Amino acid sequence: DAGVTQSPTHLIKTRGQQVTLRCSPKSGHDTVSWYQQALGQGPQFIFQYYEEEERQRGNFPDRFSGHQFPNYSSELNVNALLLGDSALYLCASSLDNSPLHFGNGTRLTVT
Amino acid sequence: AQSVTQLGSHVSVSEGALVLLRCNYSSSVPPYLFWYVQYPNQGLQLLLKYTTGATLVKGINGFEAEFKKSETSFHLTKPSAHMSDAAEYFCAVTGGGYSTLTFGKGTMLLVSP
Repeated sequence: DAGVTQSPTHLIKTRGQQVTLRCSPKSGHDTVSWYQQALGQGPQFIFQYYEEEERQRGNFPDRFSGHQFPNYSSELNVNALLLGDSALYLCASSLDNSPLHFGNGTRLTVT
Repeated sequence: AQSVTQLGSHVSVSEGALVLLRCNYSSSVPPYLFWYVQYPNQGLQLLLKYTTGATLVKGINGFEAEFKKSETSFHLTKPSAHMSDAAEYFCAVTGGGYSTLTFGKGTMLLVSP
């Protein structure tokens, strides 16, 4: 039973560019959440998707957007990249009333 | 709103010694509390959780934590550290239910032989 899978594992982008990160949830899970973990910090909640809609959003600018597909997989898009967007981006999946299961993350470096 | 404070960004213990990682939380509603572990270049793995009921919670790898409402604490302990326990540990809280997690800044556990 595959857990949460994220792609790519590493990514290097230049300031001003756009990036798309992908996540496949654990089998049977219908909710996907995205977190940003800056170096030396705890993860911070970006947003959560359920039934292809953004259900909750953290304190992140509109440059951060997402999507959930009918098969429950999800994408995180970041536009106009800033150096401060360099971080580990974690995807987590869950089923209502169950704990989050995290993927191994995508390490984004913005130069 | 919820918040988590983890005391000590680094904790060093000897193999076989007691592990104690401290977590204090703030929540305006009855919280759900979690401890996650993160090994280098990996995601987060759930160690244990408190939702309701028994305040002493046992998790994987011999870890346990006690919910103390009066102290707003949820400290993580393990009687005897193993080298494989070296990792970063995160305490997290939700405002009830399995909604969005608010994490602390993490505590790096270093285990020496």
